[in-house]
Amino acid sequence: DAKTTQPNSMESNEEEPVHLPCNHSTISGTDYIHWYRQLPSQGPEYVIHGLTSNVNNRMASLAIAEDRKSSTLILHRATLRDAAVYYCILTSGSYGGATNKLIFGTGTLLAVQP
Amino acid sequence: DAGVTQSPTHLIKTRGQQVTLRCSPKSGHDTVSWYQQALGQGPQFIFQYYEEEERQRGNFPDRFSGHQFPNYSSELNVNALLLGDSALYLCASSLNEGRGEAFFGQGTRLTVV
Repeated sequence: DAKTTQPNSMESNEEEPVHLPCNHSTISGTDYIHWYRQLPSQGPEYVIHGLTSNVNNRMASLAIAEDRKSSTLILHRATLRDAAVYYCILTSGSYGGATNKLIFGTGTLLAVQP
Repeated sequence: DAGVTQSPTHLIKTRGQQVTLRCSPKSGHDTVSWYQQALGQGPQFIFQYYEEEERQRGNFPDRFSGHQFPNYSSELNVNALLLGDSALYLCASSLNEGRGEAFFGQGTRLTVV
């Protein structure tokens, strides 16, 4: 399973953009890049995923480097409710993006200051 | 839509006992995965069920087993409990033909004493 590297923690101010980096230098051509977050005392929550192109949804944007060896999750305006552990995960395409096992690392703990 | 529901929410068992945890997937989802999350760690994949069969398995001993029913709900069984099995057990559901999103339940907190 390809591995990802994320900073242990980051801080942001409320209403400012947040850029959460992830390195995945051993990514293969069929690996999808997924982001999940886990709020305190809750199960993980899907944020966004992509393969090659940048992706946007109502929660965030995913910027993928041209060589796919790194990606960045962008929260456009951080709120206090965005304080969570953010996990960057690679999945292979054996069964389709949704059903491959998710290999979680320790993630990035995002603190949001008011 | 109730989303993914897990029961019970909390459980205390004695070392050596057996435990069964239950999961009802999000409506319409046909694939169920189980994860174990120790305190301060990310979730670890245990196994996945699709069409009532175990399709993928993580690095967990045979003491961990599961089942999926025709209505897609699932059970996780752990035999001969060890103190180290104390953790949050998470269930995630997804569509086999889905677009890449798995939905997690709130988890069952298992404490082995």
